[in-house]
Amino acid sequence: AQSVAQPEDQVNVAEGNPLTVKCTYSVSGNPYLFWYVQYPNRGLQFLLKYITGDNLVKGSYGFEAEFNKSQTSFHLKKPSALVSDSALYFCAVRDLTDSWGKFQFGAGTQVVVTP
Amino acid sequence: SAVISQKPSRDICQRGTSLTIQCQVDSQVTMMFWYRQQPGQSLTLIATANQGSEATYESGFVIDKFPISRPNLTFSTLTVSNMSPEDSSIYLCSVAARSSYEQYFGPGTRLTVT
Repeated sequence: AQSVAQPEDQVNVAEGNPLTVKCTYSVSGNPYLFWYVQYPNRGLQFLLKYITGDNLVKGSYGFEAEFNKSQTSFHLKKPSALVSDSALYFCAVRDLTDSWGKFQFGAGTQVVVTP
Repeated sequence: SAVISQKPSRDICQRGTSLTIQCQVDSQVTMMFWYRQQPGQSLTLIATANQGSEATYESGFVIDKFPISRPNLTFSTLTVSNMSPEDSSIYLCSVAARSSYEQYFGPGTRLTVT
């Protein structure tokens, strides 16, 4: 079965400092990995994905993620956090055994960026 | 990407009643998904809705409680039937992008059952 884990319930960072949100995965075969962000009272917004190719993936709003096969990780990063990055972040893996493309979501990590 | 709207955005309902949530997409899509999310928590898939066939429900969710319609390639509804306070949650629809693999989400419907 496909699964992802987000080991941190909350990440606190000061504005201007680097931000990292951790995600590890467990899949059979090659993983299709995604990051989403959810602002209060909003739906999920797609940030970036890894399907194949370069291990460093760049996405929206200055975010990037590094796919590490040996560590089965897909951590989300931003070099300089903004207060507006405060939100709930979800890592997800697409179930490749399901032809309809179901996702398995992590528990979510609340990011708090302080001024 | 796809633009998805949901109606209503929020509602407060009495125990024992039913609410139908609408999901409209600005383009034709094959697969739509319905999720439930407790505030601040992860998403739980309720069912997958393919146009022209019955929805497929995940373990723990049944058609009598969450009937779904998918009359065409741009629209779906989810009904929460015989509601109880435990049904208070955010309900999200999403669509699958066949060519790019990601899913796109609607803004959600915040349901409170009293």
